[in-house]
Amino acid sequence: AQKITQTQPGMFVQEKEAVTLDCTYDTSDQSYGLFWYKQPSSGEMIFLIYQGSYDEQNATEGRYSLNFQKARKSANLVISASQLGDSAMYFCAMRTAGTASKLTFGTGTRLQVTL
Amino acid sequence: NAGVTQTPKFQVLKTGQSMTLQCAQDMNHNSMYWYRQDPGMGLRLIYYSASEGTTDKGEVPNGYNVSRLNKREFSLRLESAAPSQTSVYFCASSEGLGRGHTEAFFGQGTRLTVV
Repeated sequence: AQKITQTQPGMFVQEKEAVTLDCTYDTSDQSYGLFWYKQPSSGEMIFLIYQGSYDEQNATEGRYSLNFQKARKSANLVISASQLGDSAMYFCAMRTAGTASKLTFGTGTRLQVTL
Repeated sequence: NAGVTQTPKFQVLKTGQSMTLQCAQDMNHNSMYWYRQDPGMGLRLIYYSASEGTTDKGEVPNGYNVSRLNKREFSLRLESAAPSQTSVYFCASSEGLGRGHTEAFFGQGTRLTVV
C-alpha cells in the first residue's frame, strides 16, 4: 500500500520569506514519482513540480524546489520568496509504477502568506 | 486546449436519485481517475482506469460505479445518492509513469450536494 502524509494542516509565512511544506511517503516500490499541486481558493488543481525516484538531483521549477531525501522518504516543497498569490492549499501526491498508475494524495497544507 | 472537461459543474440531488458525472480528456492519456475532495481529507481516489478497458477500485469506491467508455471518456455514476456523497468531485488524466513529464491534469471539479 502507498501512503502520503502531510503533517502541517496550516502554515503562515511572511511575504518574501521562504517556506517549507513537509511531505513523507511510504511505498515498497522502487520506481515512483512524487508531485506537488497547488489549489487556490478558486478550486482548480495546478501542477507545480515532479520528482522521479531515480532522479539524482532535486527538482526545481522557478521559485519551487523539491527537497527529496529518499532514505527518509520525504519530499518537502520549498517555496522561495513567497508572494501573496501563493496563499492556497498544497497537496503532495505519489504514483508508483507497480500499482498501475494509481495516484495517491496527502491531506494537504493550507499556506497563508502575510504582509 | 480543452485538457480535461468535467460536466456538470454543480449539481443538487435528492437522496436516492442517480446521476452520472462525465469526464473527457483530449490529451490521448492512458490513465484516468476520479477523486472526491472533502474538508480535511485531501483528495481520495474513488476509481481509476490505467488504460482503456480496465478499471480498478481506489480508496473509497462504495456507492459508485465507473465506465471507461473509450480512451477519452471516463464516467462516474452514483446509483442511489446519499448525503455522505456530498463532496467536490475531480476527474484527472495522465500518462503512465516513466513516459516523460507525467503529471496528472485535472478537470475543474463538480460540486455535488445530496439533500
